[in-house]
Amino acid sequence: NAGVTQTPKFQVLKTGQSMTLQCAQDMNHNSMYWYRQDPGMGLRLIYYSASEGTTDKGEVPNGYNVSRLNKREFSLRLESAAPSQTSVYFCASSEEGGLTEAFFGQGTRLTVV
Amino acid sequence: AQSVTQLDSQVPVFEEAPVELRCNYSSSVSVYLFWYVQYPNQGLQLLLKYLSGSTLVKGINGFEAEFNKSQTSFHLRKPSVHISDTAEYFCAVSDHGGATNKLIFGTGTLLAVQP
Repeated sequence: NAGVTQTPKFQVLKTGQSMTLQCAQDMNHNSMYWYRQDPGMGLRLIYYSASEGTTDKGEVPNGYNVSRLNKREFSLRLESAAPSQTSVYFCASSEEGGLTEAFFGQGTRLTVV
Repeated sequence: AQSVTQLDSQVPVFEEAPVELRCNYSSSVSVYLFWYVQYPNQGLQLLLKYLSGSTLVKGINGFEAEFNKSQTSFHLRKPSVHISDTAEYFCAVSDHGGATNKLIFGTGTLLAVQP
């Protein structure tokens, strides 16, 4: 099983460009998450989806939008990229929200110039 | 809302020495607690978790943690570390009294094991 798959692994954007980070899980999990990881700040929750059809803001949602396309897929969109969004982005999934183990993708390293 | 504090950003230790990584949490409701490990250039993987029951929790790779409700702590310990334990360790909390159970992480502690 692939687990949690994120694409792309690396991306460089110019300020103002848009892009979508893709995430898919094959574990039939209900909940999915997007985090960003910055040095000294740990992982901060951007958005999460407790179950198919629901999404909710996390700690740092500004500048991002998400779509829970179906049970497997949860995408993160940057409409107008800013240098402050340079980060490593992780997608994760769990069977039942924060009650169960979260499985992480390998991350997307995004640089906005 | 729940939050997690990891006061030590970096912990240097010699191989075969014991180590404790500190984690404190705050929440207005009952919580579940987790420790995750991140090896260089990888995603996170679960070390151990506390949901209920015994306050001493054992995880993979010889790590254990103790839940202390009165001190709102969940410190991670290992009696003898190896070079291969060098990684970043994250404490995380989710509340099971709220409407949804989101997982919130601390800022991480880099464990640097020296020969």
